[in-house]
Order: sequence, then structure tokens, then C-alpha cells
Amino acid sequence: EAQVTQNPRYLITVTGKKLTVTCSQNMNHEYMSWYRQDPGLGLRQIYYSMNVEVTDKGDVPEGYKVSRKEKRNFPLILESPSPNQTSLYFCASSFSPSDRNEQYFGPGTRLTVT
Amino acid sequence: RKEVEQDPGPFNVPEGATVAFNCTYSNSASQSFFWYRQDCRKEPKLLMSVYSSGNEDGRFTAQLNRASQYISLLIRDSKLSDSATYLCVVNTNNAGNMLTFGGGTRLMVKP
Repeated sequence: EAQVTQNPRYLITVTGKKLTVTCSQNMNHEYMSWYRQDPGLGLRQIYYSMNVEVTDKGDVPEGYKVSRKEKRNFPLILESPSPNQTSLYFCASSFSPSDRNEQYFGPGTRLTVT
Repeated sequence: RKEVEQDPGPFNVPEGATVAFNCTYSNSASQSFFWYRQDCRKEPKLLMSVYSSGNEDGRFTAQLNRASQYISLLIRDSKLSDSATYLCVVNTNNAGNMLTFGGGTRLMVKP
């Protein structure tokens, strides 16, 4: 089954404790991205990757890191999480963002930082 | 001004009604436009792409107006199952590789 998986789905952590949210897709997509969704602000892009070893900042990259060592995986790293990073996070992938290919989203990771 | 703007709603309509949403975007160089649907606490899913000539998929019709920089979504004969948040999505950088989502318009269809 074609899908994007994220782990964990729910995470409660404390300020400053490094964490990684994994994202994996099995569709051989080149483009992957991370979004956060907050009430009243909608979905905002954190980072995106056009292909292996190619990553770029989105709208809200501060406090996040990503890597793309393999085509299928695109982990999101919070080196020192803070309460303002409490949010719902989505990973997405597609063949390309600039033509009409659908973005497939993972199920989301609900992160709470206390 | 936000790059992609939508009326957050909610739009409360009875079953069978026709409802239309608009979305405005600020980057005139944008080339790709989409409508996504998001159910509560779930991931967004593509509803339809928006083509320059407009396109229709069953009860759903999408239109693009480049001159006024807006896209629209029309839903005819609303069903209870259409209740969701509808997200307007636009590629907003000149390289075409960054997508910006509107805040979403919430639709509630009542019996």
C-alpha cells in the first residue's frame, strides 16, 4: 500500500530534550516536506527536500533540522524543543510540487513540549 | 497580507445546498493550485487540482482567475459527508518548489 508513515504519532516531552520524528514513504517520491499546523495559522512549511542530500528552508525553519540521506526517509529533528513547538506535525511527499502531482500526507504527529 | 487567504468560516449549509469558497493568493507567478480536504484531526488529502481552464469532478468545480488572483471551489448538492475543512494550496515561490497553504475554510453540512 502506498503510504507515508510517521513515528511517533503522539509525543509529550520536556523543554530541551532532543527528539526526532521519523517520516518514511514507499512511493519513490523525490519531494518530501514537513509542515506544522496550528489553530488560526493553518499549515506552515518547515523544511522541504527536492531529492537526496538537497534540503531547503520553508516558512518556519527556526528550531528544526532535517536530513535526507535516503530517498524514502526525511526525519525532523528538534535539537532543543521549546513549548512554542507544541503543534501537529505532518510529513508529506510527492513526485514534484510544481506540477499537478498529489502531495501524500502522513497521519500526523501531535507533539507537546512542557 | 498573507500569501494565501481564505475565509475561515464556518459555512453552515443544509443538505442539498450549493456552496462556494474563494481563496486569494499574492504571488502572481504562482503556477500550481490545489484544493485539499482535511477532516478533523486527520491529514489533508487532495480534493482536486485547479487548471487554468477550470475543472469539474462530480459535484465539485474548481476555477482559477489569474487576473484577480483567486481560485474558487463550488460544491453542488452538499452531502453530510462534505463536512470538513477545505484548504487552498498554491506554489508561491518562483522556483515552483514551495507550497503555501491557506488557513482553510470550514464547512458544516446539516441535515
